[in-house]
Formats: sequence, C-alpha cells, structure tokens
Amino acid sequence: DSGVTQTPKHLITATGQRVTLRCSPRSGDLSVYWYQQSLDQGLQFLIQYYNGEERAKGNILERFSAQQFPDLHSELNLSSLELGDSALYFCASSPGREGGNEQFFGPGTRLTVL
Amino acid sequence: AQKITQTQPGMFVQEKEAVTLDCTYDTSDQSYGLFWYKQPSSGEMIFLIYQGSYDEQNATEGRYSLNFQKARKSANLVISASQLGDSAMYFCAMREGRVLSGGSNYKLTFGKGTLLTVNP
Repeated sequence: DSGVTQTPKHLITATGQRVTLRCSPRSGDLSVYWYQQSLDQGLQFLIQYYNGEERAKGNILERFSAQQFPDLHSELNLSSLELGDSALYFCASSPGREGGNEQFFGPGTRLTVL
Repeated sequence: AQKITQTQPGMFVQEKEAVTLDCTYDTSDQSYGLFWYKQPSSGEMIFLIYQGSYDEQNATEGRYSLNFQKARKSANLVISASQLGDSAMYFCAMREGRVLSGGSNYKLTFGKGTLLTVNP
C-alpha cells in the first residue's frame, strides 16, 4: 500500500459525459501527479500540482482539467468524453521538496467510455 | 525521438536465475533521475529503484540493482534470483525538470515496458 488513495476504482460512462477522478496523496506529500495509461499511448504524464499550484504540464487535453485543493487532495476532471479516453488513470504523490525523488502511485481509476 | 527506449517487449527467465532488463534514455539535461517501476497484472505501479545522474555508485535495493552507464545513456535493471512473483510488466522512467523555490517541476517519461515472465 503506497498511501495514495484514488476513487473510484472503476468508472463506466458514455461518450460526451463528464467525470471527476479523485486522489488523496500520502500524508505529508505536497506534489500530486496525474498519469494516463492506455494500450496505444502507454503511460503518459498529464499534469503536476505542488501545494495547490500547477507546476508542470504534459500531454493533457484541453477537455481535461485538474486542481489541487487546500487539503492537498486533487481532482482530475474529464469532459466531453470520447471512446479513446478509456484508460487507467493514476495519481502519484511525492514530497515535492529538494531531494524528493520518488513518486508513489495510487491504485488507479479504470475509466471505460462506452 | 523517444526519450526512454525499452527494446525488449518480453523476457523469459527461469526461477532463481538473474535477468537484465534493458533501458536507454535520451536527455540533454545534466541533472536527471532514472527509475524502474513494476506493474503486476493487478495494475498497481510499484517503485523499485532510483538512480540520480550524479550518483557514482550503481543503485541497489535488495534483489534489484541498476546498471548505470552514463556515457552510453543506459540504465538497465538487474533482478537477481528471480522469483515467480517477479512476473510483471517493468517500466523504465526518466525524471526531468528542476528544483524551483518551494517545490519542483519534475515529471516522468516512461518507456513502453518489458513483460517479464518467470518460469518455475
């Protein structure tokens, strides 16, 4: 158990819909990262937040957005869903301070778009 | 160009033998980090080992060691005394980014993975 929690574990929805994925980082970790893992794209970094502020952006679509709240939990919002958005979405956390090298991954949310 | 290349889509090893999983990387940064993660069939990502670009010694964590050859830009994972539970997908990843005041903008780039099967 990495200490990172993600809800829900599974999500099935239809094209055009909007969903929210939630992540709680490990106690004390200030950075949260979101990743998408799909069969055709592999593991892709989406976005990073540190202590409530966006720090780095990867291959995140404009239909996707994220935020980190004062209690440090984070949400990833996916809108106008398409079949190709079906994937495993991981959240990871790290201390986010100098010397913090490791990212701890949550169990993931498996999104299926029908 | 791919930043992380794992040339072995699949590998087989006999239980109790050692196996090396290959990883080459491409970066122009002087400071970077290299990771290996394990993903069993259950789907979770498990951190195995980390090597910083300035670390002179190869990293070791129990049965895992990272063979870091900076000039060749390779960071191969060596698993000694393989166990049946080692059967999983293994991902090599590279951290780029820099430390900023109050935080960092690290991000990870992953390779496509190597599926390791340990045979009894």
